[in-house]
Amino acid sequence: SQTIHQWPATLVQPVGSPLSLECTVEGTSNPNLYWYRQAAGRGLQLLFYSVGIGQISSEVPQNLSASRPQDRQFILSSKKLLLSDSGFYLCAWSVAEAFFGQGTRLTVV
Amino acid sequence: DAKTTQPPSMDCAEGRAANLPCNHSTISGNEYVYWYRQIHSQGPQYIIHGLKNNETNEMASLIITEDRKSSTLILPHATLRDTAVYYCIVRASNTGNQFYFGTGTSLTVIP
Repeated sequence: SQTIHQWPATLVQPVGSPLSLECTVEGTSNPNLYWYRQAAGRGLQLLFYSVGIGQISSEVPQNLSASRPQDRQFILSSKKLLLSDSGFYLCAWSVAEAFFGQGTRLTVV
Repeated sequence: DAKTTQPPSMDCAEGRAANLPCNHSTISGNEYVYWYRQIHSQGPQYIIHGLKNNETNEMASLIITEDRKSSTLILPHATLRDTAVYYCIVRASNTGNQFYFGTGTSLTVIP
């Protein structure tokens, strides 16, 4: 069966520090991969999606970047975090329907 | 951008059927209707999807109108654990098509 792993579950980082969130998928090949962000009390905003290794599309201009070094690995990064980067970050994979990880709650202080 | 319209909130009595509506008047012929729900502080959970015909699984039923411009998610016997935000999404089911979430319907199941 397919599973998605996302870590860490919570993270507190100072402004200006770097960020690396990792997501891996098991049990499927060549999935579409997604990063979403959800601000407190708001809906899910699609940040990045990838249809294959090294192929990243950005939905909104921002302080974040994404990479897909392996077929089932998706990484969200920032060189210098801003206060506005705080939120609930979700990784997802899909072939037909999408399946989500449990999320990382990031607080930038 | 989300192509669906949902009421912001609904209440349902425990044990009764919860009927959550969704309007998608601009849906294209190759777009499916998907439903997800998100319980507080968790990742969204897939519920069901369909193209034209009504669908049923162990979680819910999906009723799509004949013109496909609207649909209804039915939770036949709502429990307190069904309290969540429910999202209706339209998406063409092929590689590269993204899932765009709107603001959803916040369903509260009342004891």
